[in-house]
Amino acid sequence: GQQVMQIPQYQHVQEGEDFTTYCNSSTTLSNIQWYKQRPGGHPVFLIQLVKSGEVKKQKRLTFQFGEAKKNSSLHITATQTTDVGTYFCAGGLYSGAGSYQLTFGKGTKLSVIP
Amino acid sequence: DGGITQSPKYLFRKEGQNVTLSCEQNLNHDAMYWYRQDPGQGLRLIYYSQIVNDFQKGDIAEGYSVSREKKESFPLTVTSAQKNPTAFYLCASSKEGQHEIPSGRNTEAFFGQGTRLTVV
Repeated sequence: GQQVMQIPQYQHVQEGEDFTTYCNSSTTLSNIQWYKQRPGGHPVFLIQLVKSGEVKKQKRLTFQFGEAKKNSSLHITATQTTDVGTYFCAGGLYSGAGSYQLTFGKGTKLSVIP
Repeated sequence: DGGITQSPKYLFRKEGQNVTLSCEQNLNHDAMYWYRQDPGQGLRLIYYSQIVNDFQKGDIAEGYSVSREKKESFPLTVTSAQKNPTAFYLCASSKEGQHEIPSGRNTEAFFGQGTRLTVV
């Protein structure tokens, strides 16, 4: 079945440093979504990328979708303590048979040292 | 306020007992999902439903059952056949269900607060 790999699993950074998490799919995706889960909380939608090569920005966060629509990245510039949490990518695949499935990566847990 | 509600937040059960986790949404969403989250495992799909009275198995459906009799409700039963049921369970919904367009528009997932199930 569809697999979505995400690396690294953990990342510890000093406040002010940059952070990047990478996502790779075994199949070409219809779209990719990114979620953030704060400690003790539930995942919250951040953004969706649909087009090949798409780049979107949200303040200090930059999201990219690869040309082949099989990989994606999330880059945070100058991390802050409020960025702490686990970041998940989720690959969306439309099978064309009336079925759409969202497969989550295992997440990257970000710790920010003040 | 529109949203997705899971109850209870914490649940303790004895080994061998079935237990049902509630998930209700008032977002008028067609699709609903159940995920299991274990440390270091991310979110694993148990079951999903794209329309009322229809549901499909996800990656780890064994030992679980669901029903979708109403659009608003998607309860999950953890049966005694589930070998390792202790986990954090997340329910989610999204606007579009069966009739997706390839771009996946309206497939943003809204999550409930989760139910932490402990089997002793």
